[in-house]
Amino acid sequence: QKEVEQDPGPLSVPEGAIVSLNCTYSNSAFQYFMWYRQYSRKGPELLMYTYSSGNKEDGRFTAQVDKSSKYISLFIRDSQPSDSATYLCAMSGGGQNFVFGPGTRLSVLP
Amino acid sequence: DTAVSQTPKYLVTQMGNDKSIKCEQNLGHDTMYWYKQDSKKFLKIMFSYNNKELIINETVPNRFSPKSPDKAHLNLHINSLELGDSAVYFCASSQWQGTSREQYFGPGTRLTVT
Repeated sequence: QKEVEQDPGPLSVPEGAIVSLNCTYSNSAFQYFMWYRQYSRKGPELLMYTYSSGNKEDGRFTAQVDKSSKYISLFIRDSQPSDSATYLCAMSGGGQNFVFGPGTRLSVLP
Repeated sequence: DTAVSQTPKYLVTQMGNDKSIKCEQNLGHDTMYWYKQDSKKFLKIMFSYNNKELIINETVPNRFSPKSPDKAHLNLHINSLELGDSAVYFCASSQWQGTSREQYFGPGTRLTVT
């Protein structure tokens, strides 16, 4: 089993839809969780950061962490064509080693 | 102002050559990283430096040697390049303070070995 799993997609949704992106992990020591957006031929851009369990909201984005289920989610409300990108989850146990998921490719169709 | 910058953006070279990639961050962070992203877009950490000290050295060939002259710079030197080294290399930085662990990435260096 890989340490971090993520549905690679591609995921296609119409503009305005609610998008749900998910990652599961196996290492119960993880307590720092991040979501990145990566446009084609660009570097990953930090979207959301959560420490331990709970929800965090920033504009159209909501991150949820359920440590008991080892499951994290990113919700995008009112999705826009500009949200079309690859979304990467990343996590760490507190040391300096970050483990990334393989990414989910999202297309938001106008 | 670019927070994390890398040079060059593109690097095309032949097998057996030696090349370097440079990274600079102006965020005042104390930790810098090198990542490799392969053709399947999988992002994997290679090295981590904290205050110029090597903290993480994942299983990478010793042809790869990072060097951190100061907290704001982390360079990657690659000897005897091989075809399998072709990938995009990203530099990142973060500040370790309390529960803060956010990493900020550079634009990447696309290395092609022919």
